[in-house]
Amino acid sequence: AQSVTQLDSQVPVFEEAPVELRCNYSSSVSVYLFWYVQYPNQGLQLLLKYLSGSTLVESINGFEAEFNKSQTSFHLRKPSVHISDTAEYFCAVGLIQGAQKLVFGQGTRLTINP
Amino acid sequence: NAGVTQTPKFQVLKTGQSMTLQCAQDMNHEYMSWYRQDPGMGLRLIHYSVGAGITDQGEVPNGYNVSRSTTEDFPLRLLSAAPSQTSVYFCASSPFDSPLHFGNGTRLTVT
Repeated sequence: AQSVTQLDSQVPVFEEAPVELRCNYSSSVSVYLFWYVQYPNQGLQLLLKYLSGSTLVESINGFEAEFNKSQTSFHLRKPSVHISDTAEYFCAVGLIQGAQKLVFGQGTRLTINP
Repeated sequence: NAGVTQTPKFQVLKTGQSMTLQCAQDMNHEYMSWYRQDPGMGLRLIHYSVGAGITDQGEVPNGYNVSRSTTEDFPLRLLSAAPSQTSVYFCASSPFDSPLHFGNGTRLTVT
């Protein structure tokens, strides 16, 4: 079975500061890794994914995440956050076969202060 | 494209009542699923379907039924609502081996 732990339930940062949202996973088999973002009163949107290849993946809005197999981590980073990044962020894992049956972490609420 | 459409957006039920949460997608996705979201617990898989006529249980299936008579629709039924089913419910769909597309959710309160 797979499990995901997001190490911080809430992360407050100031605008234009860097941020890291931590995600660790556990699995006995190879998995795909995802970060989803949920803006207030909306559904989840895919932010970025790691399927294979380069361990550093990037999103179109400046976030990046690095897959670290030895540490079983997939931390999300952004060098300079904006007010519009305020949201809840979910890390998730899925089996390579049957990747849609995602297991989610508990979520990290990112709050950006001006 | 509408994507994944969930109705209703909000619902209040009394204990013991039944209802159906609707989910429809217009992307011809084979895979559809239902999750519930509770504070501090992330999202947990309730039921999923890999195609019309095929459904299976996820992590927390008790108290919920599903059916998949068409590719487009995947309703979730609560036969006898309980306060423990107060939650936000998300429907999602995808092609196989592709990331999920989520609906905007149904917020259900059971009193």
